Amino acid sequence: GENVEQHPSTLSVQEGDSAVIKCTYSDSASNYFPWYKQELGKRPQLIIDIRSNVGEKKDQRIAVTLNKTAKHFSLHITETQPEDSAVYFCAASLNYGGSQGNLIFGKGTKLSVKP
Amino acid sequence: DSGVTQTPKHLITATGQRVTLRCSPRSGDLSVYWYQQSLDQGLQFLIQYYNGEERAKGNILERFSAQQFPDLHSELNLSSLELGDSALYFCASSVAASGNTGELFFGEGSRLTVL
Repeated sequence: GENVEQHPSTLSVQEGDSAVIKCTYSDSASNYFPWYKQELGKRPQLIIDIRSNVGEKKDQRIAVTLNKTAKHFSLHITETQPEDSAVYFCAASLNYGGSQGNLIFGKGTKLSVKP
Repeated sequence: DSGVTQTPKHLITATGQRVTLRCSPRSGDLSVYWYQQSLDQGLQFLIQYYNGEERAKGNILERFSAQQFPDLHSELNLSSLELGDSALYFCASSVAASGNTGELFFGEGSRLTVL
């Protein structure tokens, strides 16, 4: 089955700096890679996702890159703000027949943005 | 509000007992997923149901079982509870139909404490 490794487990940056979180996956058949943000005491929420036919996707200050050959993908947050402080989870899954397979999550990265 | 409803929000019980966690997915969503979140294990995939049938199974213990009913709500049954079962249990749902975005919508979680 799929296995997702995520690094680092904790990340502390100064407000305005960039943050990068990296993940690797094991199943080369995986084709969908979302990132979820979980604020303290809240539920995980999707912030951005990428499919295997795309190498990069950007949404304002957030971008995700995918390297299928190396089986790794990364989340980039630029101009970080204190409200970006949260736990970020990467995930991988195999979509088949138009429906979504189960998501396998990494163990999370706790991002702290210091004012 | 994600539209996914989980009950109860909090549950305290003793070792050896049995509990049932309930989840109502978003209106129209056919897939329901159960995840266990412990402090050091991130989001562990337990099981997925699609339109009443088991679709995928993760690291779900034999003491745990789940089902999805005709009205699409789902229940996760945890029996012979151990201290290590204390965790936050999330239910998530998705459209799981052709053309969907792949996003999982999480409920607020059920926090189980086993004493």
